[in-house]
Amino acid sequence: EAQVTQNPRYLITVTGKKLTVTCSQNMNHEYMSWYRQDPGLGLRQIYYSMNVEVTDKGDVPEGYKVSRKEKRNFPLILESPSPNQTSLYFCASSLSALAGVQETQYFGPGTRLLVL
Amino acid sequence: AQKVTQAQTEISVVEKEDVTLDCVYETRDTTYYLFWYKQPPSGELVFLIRRNSFDEQNEISGRYSWNFQKSTSSFNFTITASQVVDSAVYFCALSEYQAGTALIFGKGTTLSVSS
Repeated sequence: EAQVTQNPRYLITVTGKKLTVTCSQNMNHEYMSWYRQDPGLGLRQIYYSMNVEVTDKGDVPEGYKVSRKEKRNFPLILESPSPNQTSLYFCASSLSALAGVQETQYFGPGTRLLVL
Repeated sequence: AQKVTQAQTEISVVEKEDVTLDCVYETRDTTYYLFWYKQPPSGELVFLIRRNSFDEQNEISGRYSWNFQKSTSSFNFTITASQVVDSAVYFCALSEYQAGTALIFGKGTTLSVSS
């Protein structure tokens, strides 16, 4: 089944304790992206990746890191989480994001993070 | 600047009623893409439709239909004969002609359908 998977689905942690949220897709998609969803603010892009070893900042990158060493994986790293990073996180992927071809982005199931 | 406005924060209807969710967008680009996603109570985001700026044809898929009007920068979504399973948050999103650009989401409309 074609899908985007995220782990963990739920996470409670404490301020400053490094964590990684994994994202994997099995559709051979080139483009992957991370969003966060907050009440009243909707979804905002954190980072995106056009392909392996190519990543760039989205609208709200502060406090986050990403890497794209393999096409299928795009982990989100919080090196020193803070309470304002408590949110619902979504990973998404699409076939490509070449100019003029905005493919549909398919989303993972979401990761609910609480930082105490 | 690109922007998506969903003015209806919450809508409540009774089963079998028709309901229209409004979406108004702003963009300077002549080439862009519009999307609708559904977020049911379980939390995942489900893709519903993608439309490019050169295709103004309305689309119907079962009980769902979409009305795209460039003249008013609107991309409205109608559910005919609503059902309880339609209860969800619905997001309209915009993507411009630019490599790697993000989806710009509206703040969503929460639809509650009661039996």
